Amino acid sequence: GQNIDQPTEMTATEGAIVQINCTYQTSGFNGLFWYQQHAGEAPTFLSYNVLDGLEEKGRFSSFLSRSKGYSYLLLKELQMKDSASYLCAVRGSGGYNKLIFGAGTRLAVHP
Amino acid sequence: GAVVSQHPSWVICKSGTSVKIECRSLDFQATTMFWYRQFPKQSLMLMATSNEGSKATYEQGVEKDKFLINHASLTLSTLTVTSAHPEDSSFYICSASKETNTGELFFGEGSRLTVL
Repeated sequence: GQNIDQPTEMTATEGAIVQINCTYQTSGFNGLFWYQQHAGEAPTFLSYNVLDGLEEKGRFSSFLSRSKGYSYLLLKELQMKDSASYLCAVRGSGGYNKLIFGAGTRLAVHP
Repeated sequence: GAVVSQHPSWVICKSGTSVKIECRSLDFQATTMFWYRQFPKQSLMLMATSNEGSKATYEQGVEKDKFLINHASLTLSTLTVTSAHPEDSSFYICSASKETNTGELFFGEGSRLTVL
């Protein structure tokens, strides 16, 4: 079967750093994605990892360890607008490029 | 980035009626599109994979006769919720992947369906 786990909710303070973890067990692996979703809106792409290591993109970084089935999204210098749900998604080795999403982590940033 | 557009954004219908949602890729051709459903405070659940010119592939537990998918062209896929009931009320989101290095999905704006 396929299983993607992330914490349900997290809170953090403006200006701080937060790490959102994701563990996965999927039938095959062909990349891991992080998306941001504000309430009532469609998800927007944040990052992509297919090889082990850290990918940095401005205030956001994402890490992958394929042997451990583990990834994290690191958000630095948090801003109020970063309050959103963060979705971890895995692309399996099957065709069609489909993504399977985790339940998402709702991040609340407080002043 | 690539643009995927959905219509309508909001729809309210009576129980027993059918509702059609359109998903268009505006600046690229999408051989494959994906339809997701999202209930409040839950994640995206893949419903089906829509393939241009062939039958859609449905995920386990999704009724293909209730959620009709048509992918008639490389830029348009439609989802029809037939004989809708209140439990079908949800946020339906389509997505498509463009030929990029990552193959990330680009999402439409979503369609919020409320069945009375």
